[in-house]
Amino acid sequence: DTGVSQDPRHKITKRGQNVTFRCDPISEHNRLYWYRQTLGQGPEFLTYFQNEAQLEKSRLLSDRFSAERPKGSFSTLEIQRTEQGDSAMYLCASSRPGQGSSGYTFGSGTRLTVV
Amino acid sequence: AQTVTQSQPEMSVQEAETVTLSCTYDTSESDYYLFWYKQPPSRQMILVIRQEAYKQQNATENRFSVNFQKAAKSFSLKISDSQLGDAAMYFCAYRALIQGAQKLVFGQGTRLTINP
Repeated sequence: DTGVSQDPRHKITKRGQNVTFRCDPISEHNRLYWYRQTLGQGPEFLTYFQNEAQLEKSRLLSDRFSAERPKGSFSTLEIQRTEQGDSAMYLCASSRPGQGSSGYTFGSGTRLTVV
Repeated sequence: AQTVTQSQPEMSVQEAETVTLSCTYDTSESDYYLFWYKQPPSRQMILVIRQEAYKQQNATENRFSVNFQKAAKSFSLKISDSQLGDAAMYFCAYRALIQGAQKLVFGQGTRLTINP
């Protein structure tokens, strides 16, 4: 169990650029979640996958955001035409079936700064 | 919609003493889970303790315990014998226990400082 890995840890980008983040969940976990955390706030749910299927998307996930999990393993979150309001910590978490009561395992996050 | 409220943005406690962090939530569901997560400055969110709503007994994990008041929709966290390593942001979170419900709903967090 190597934990949930996120890459990169930090990303600074200019407004209007596209960015992509990667999340590698724990290998036996089939569920993967993306959350966004702005400064001084709790994480907010963005989307989740069960295997390769994206089963739920938050209204926070505008059409500039897209998430994929093509083979049910790692996931990517892409933000197109970044805006300053996209500056936040993007957290990934994973879990396996039946683990709901135990919560999820979170990664350390990717901090995005849009300048 | 479910909401979680943490009314204490910051708390501080002397090392070795006891502190209680407050959390209230709103839901129309009868079955759900509640969690307390700790987020140290290294940023990785760590599960501290969980409570199933159908259990009347309050959960306890070593120095951490909860006071779960279902009728009042209150879920406070008590940390006994506070240690310097307890300093972190603490988040209360809710998850409905219905099929397909996977997301966690978090409160705004409480920053806990431990004074040596």
